Amino acid sequence: QVTLKESGPALVKPTQTLTLTCNFSGFSLTTSGMRVSWIRQPPGKALEWLARIDWDDAKIYSTSLETRLTISKDISKNQVVLTMANMDPVDTATYFCARFYGGHPQLDYWGQGILVTVSA
Amino acid sequence: DIQMTQSPSSLSASVGDRVTITCRAGQTVGIYLNWYQQKPGKAPNLLIYAASSLQSGVPSRFSGSGSGTDFTLTISSLQPEDFASYYCQQSYTNPYSFGQGTKLEIK
Repeated sequence: QVTLKESGPALVKPTQTLTLTCNFSGFSLTTSGMRVSWIRQPPGKALEWLARIDWDDAKIYSTSLETRLTISKDISKNQVVLTMANMDPVDTATYFCARFYGGHPQLDYWGQGILVTVSA
Repeated sequence: DIQMTQSPSSLSASVGDRVTITCRAGQTVGIYLNWYQQKPGKAPNLLIYAASSLQSGVPSRFSGSGSGTDFTLTISSLQPEDFASYYCQQSYTNPYSFGQGTKLEIK
């Protein structure tokens, strides 16, 4: 079955770079049409879409955060990595990775999420 | 960026009620519209994709409709496990924005 799981630090300091890893199984990022996205959710707030990486290595970023985000994949490890530079307390959120798939693409499988707190 | 606006932001209802949540897009998104349910402390769960297609495993009391800019999620007869937050999301163009959410509470 399809599973995804996020890992990374629970606490980062302001100005540091956050690196999150999404380990997935049950599908291949070499399959045509397959994509993985990152989404975040500040405590008590709405979901915010961050980035996407595709089977063909295309990368799409949130327009408001694209200067700070980098997404990459390691096919051999079934991993997708997101880095976010220059972290700020307003970036405190639960970060989710999810499979983004379909002709009218949808986030059909999600990881459990990881809470990242930005504090000195 | 396409702004997604949900209404209402919160809603109180009783078990057995029929409930409708609305999502409006700032510009047309065709039928590139998805609905998710999220319970506290959990990841969102896909309910409806392509505006009206029911995700596998989702109860048939959930339905979606609409196209262009106006969409609705309907729960035909609320069950206790349906009290949660609901989000719409457009997958038409980057950024794949979400609505602000609708919190469905027990009356």
